[in-house]
Amino acid sequence: QKEVEQNSGPLSVPEGAIASLNCTYSDRVSQSFFWYRQYSGKSPELIMSIYSNGDKEDGRFTAQLNKASQYVSLLIRDSQPSDSATYLCAVKWGHNAGNMLTFGGGTRLMVKP
Amino acid sequence: DTAVSQTPKYLVTQMGNDKSIKCEQNLGHDTMYWYKQDSKKFLKIMFSYNNKELIINETVPNRFSPKSPDKAHLNLHINSLELGDSAVYFCASSQNYRGGGETQYFGPGTRLLVL
Repeated sequence: QKEVEQNSGPLSVPEGAIASLNCTYSDRVSQSFFWYRQYSGKSPELIMSIYSNGDKEDGRFTAQLNKASQYVSLLIRDSQPSDSATYLCAVKWGHNAGNMLTFGGGTRLMVKP
Repeated sequence: DTAVSQTPKYLVTQMGNDKSIKCEQNLGHDTMYWYKQDSKKFLKIMFSYNNKELIINETVPNRFSPKSPDKAHLNLHINSLELGDSAVYFCASSQNYRGGGETQYFGPGTRLLVL
């Protein structure tokens, strides 16, 4: 059973701090990794995708991938109260024919003013 | 200028009824999906269609029957609704499914409550 695991939180950080969200996955043959943000009562929206080992930066967001250790993380710099949401990690397994994503349970982030 | 839209937004119904949820995307994508998000917020794939053809069916009870009349629409019909079907159902689409255009964009969700 392929799994994606996240700490459910809540992760509480003060405004302006760095929020660090982690995700581990069970299958080494994993191809693509995605971070989605979901506000309460809303649909998931894509923040970042990452495909190769290392860091990928986009504005205040940095995704980090380590395939050998089977984890992917998301750093949010200068956290804002508007970043308060649930962050979903999603993995596309390398040998699935249909672009199927497996999601983790999400980490709830709370940024306190 | 909605990209992925779903109707209805809310659906409250009795156990045993049959209901349908509709999804439309105006992104010109080839691939569409149905996901179920339960009360614990786990988001789980149910079906995927590419150009009107089923490519993923994730061991969903056959009370759930997707239909894709064209590549811009993917509807979900549910027969004999059960209490455990209460969840939020999300439709999503991606440019394709083989890689390169795999990013999935989600609709607003349909909140189904079975009483």
